[in-house]
Amino acid sequence: DTGVSQNPRHKITKRGQNVTFRCDPISEHNRLYWYRQTLGQGPEFLTYFQNEAQLEKSRLLSDRFSAERPKGSFSTLEIQRTEQGDSAMYLCASSWADSLYGYTFGSGTRLTVV
Amino acid sequence: AQSVTQLDSQVPVFEEAPVELRCNYSSSVSVYLFWYVQYPNQGLQLLLKYLSGSTLVKGINGFEAEFNKSQTSFHLRKPSVHISDTAEYFCAVSDDLTGNQFYFGTGTSLTVIP
Repeated sequence: DTGVSQNPRHKITKRGQNVTFRCDPISEHNRLYWYRQTLGQGPEFLTYFQNEAQLEKSRLLSDRFSAERPKGSFSTLEIQRTEQGDSAMYLCASSWADSLYGYTFGSGTRLTVV
Repeated sequence: AQSVTQLDSQVPVFEEAPVELRCNYSSSVSVYLFWYVQYPNQGLQLLLKYLSGSTLVKGINGFEAEFNKSQTSFHLRKPSVHISDTAEYFCAVSDDLTGNQFYFGTGTSLTVIP
């Protein structure tokens, strides 16, 4: 068990470019979550998967955002036509079915849009 | 939707002194409460949780928290802090039995002064 792994750790991109982040959850966890954390704020829920099914999406997840979890393993979060307001830390977490016992978070991907 | 208020954005405290980090949440029929810690450049780590039962819960690293339903609070305490406790602390609440989504506070930055 190597924990939740996120790549890349940092990403700097020009406004208007597309970016993709990857999350590898703990292998036996069937739930995977994406959160966004901006400076001085707590994490905000974006979306979550149970196995390969995307079961819930926040209103924060605009049409420019898309997340996938093919085969219920790793997940990708893509942001199209990035804007400066997308600059944030993107956190991935995973859990077993009963996530009330707490998530395991990755170290996050810090996105800076210039 | 739930909301979480962490009243103190920054808390400086001398080493070996006691500390209390405050957290209040919006009322609901039933809530599940969590404290997470985030060290620099790392993901969030679960400190402790309240799901049901005893209102005083103990967590890792000597932290404890008390659930107070009448005051809708879940304050975090430690009787004697160490330098290594310097970090960002987040209170989170879930009002869904399946824990699909956590609502986080804005965080409290604890700085332990030697």
